[in-house]
Amino acid sequence: DAGVIQSPRHEVTEMGQEVTLRCKPISGHNSLFWYRQTMMRGLELLIYFNNNVPIDDSGMPEDRFSAKMPNASFSTLKIQPSEPRDSAVYFCASSFGFGLGVYEQYFGPGTRLTVT
Amino acid sequence: GQQVMQIPQYQHVQEGEDFTTYCNSSTTLSNIQWYKQRPGGHPVFLIQLVKSGEVKKQKRLTFQFGEAKKNSSLHITATQTTDVGTYFCAGQGANNLFFGTGTRLTVIP
Repeated sequence: DAGVIQSPRHEVTEMGQEVTLRCKPISGHNSLFWYRQTMMRGLELLIYFNNNVPIDDSGMPEDRFSAKMPNASFSTLKIQPSEPRDSAVYFCASSFGFGLGVYEQYFGPGTRLTVT
Repeated sequence: GQQVMQIPQYQHVQEGEDFTTYCNSSTTLSNIQWYKQRPGGHPVFLIQLVKSGEVKKQKRLTFQFGEAKKNSSLHITATQTTDVGTYFCAGQGANNLFFGTGTRLTVIP
């Protein structure tokens, strides 16, 4: 099993540009999660999906952030327009079954985003 | 709002010494999970505790869930250099999952 796949691994962009982060969850997993990690705020849950449906997006910082899951094997997190304070490592995770915190989550390697 | 606090934030130990990190929630949790993140890596699931007062062991690691299901601890006996990393707890509340701030462990050979 290849595990959770994220791309790109590193992204450097200028303020105001659109950024799209991609995630392929583990095959057969029903839930997908997007996290952001910074030194100041730690690991924050942004949004999670069950069976491709967004369940809770209360962690999304603001309207500049959007996430989609068009099918069971692909999800995107988009930031438009990006700002320097969005610089962070963004993790995607997936788990088998439904519910938040009920099953172990498998994290991808993360995307390190730098907005200059 | 609900918060999960974790202490200490940093811990430096000599190899062979024991290590403990504590996780405290302001409200009762349904369950708690523990993850380890190596420097430059991603969080990796270690264990999940569900029952009040539950204790689980994984080799040198001992995990406990408090009787009130508001706190948890991870204890490592006789640390090794491979234990280096940040240990996170993640508590499941009513409608959310809250990660603790993490304890960064450094093991001095």
